[in-house]
Amino acid sequence: AQRVTQPEKLLSVFKGAPVELKCNYSYSGSPELFWYVQYSRQRLQLLLRHISRESIKGFTADLNKGETSFHLKKPFAQEEDSAMYYCALISGSARQLTFGSGTQLTVLP
Amino acid sequence: EAQVTQNPRYLITVTGKKLTVTCSQNMNHEYMSWYRQDPGLGLRQIYYSMNVEVTDKGDVPEGYKVSRKEKRNFPLILESPSPNQTSLYFCASSRSPGLAGGPEQYFGPGTRLTVT
Repeated sequence: AQRVTQPEKLLSVFKGAPVELKCNYSYSGSPELFWYVQYSRQRLQLLLRHISRESIKGFTADLNKGETSFHLKKPFAQEEDSAMYYCALISGSARQLTFGSGTQLTVLP
Repeated sequence: EAQVTQNPRYLITVTGKKLTVTCSQNMNHEYMSWYRQDPGLGLRQIYYSMNVEVTDKGDVPEGYKVSRKEKRNFPLILESPSPNQTSLYFCASSRSPGLAGGPEQYFGPGTRLTVT
């Protein structure tokens, strides 16, 4: 069965420091992975998807099939990046979206 | 404005009293889904619907029902709520998930349910 693991529930970094939010997955098929973000008192929204190979708000994520990882990275964290981040995987014939347990990122001034 | 709406936003109820949480989207999306969000567990899918009159169980369907009579609406029904269903519930919609790369899911604002 598919599974998404985010090992860090809480992560704090100082403003300007690099940040990496870890995501590992297990899935027998070809993975399609996403990062969703939930800012305080806002709706959950898509941040980026691996197939687009894009950089959004300075964040990037590279799919590493060998390590089954899709870590989210940003070289210089900003205070407005503080939020809950969820890694997610599409799987199954119904293409359900399976979420990890989330990482609460706090960027300190 | 393209959006997903949920009502009510907050609800406190007692064990066993049937309730319905409504969800509506105005983007003509085929796919709709319900999730519950619990601390340390992330979002878990309750039910989903690929299109009108097509619904299926997600990962945690016990104690819930859904219906999809119209494309825009996807209500979540708790026939006999119990305290372990106290949670934050999100409705989401998207275009067909079969699209390559996976379409973006649009989420509602959430419904905080407390069952005493």
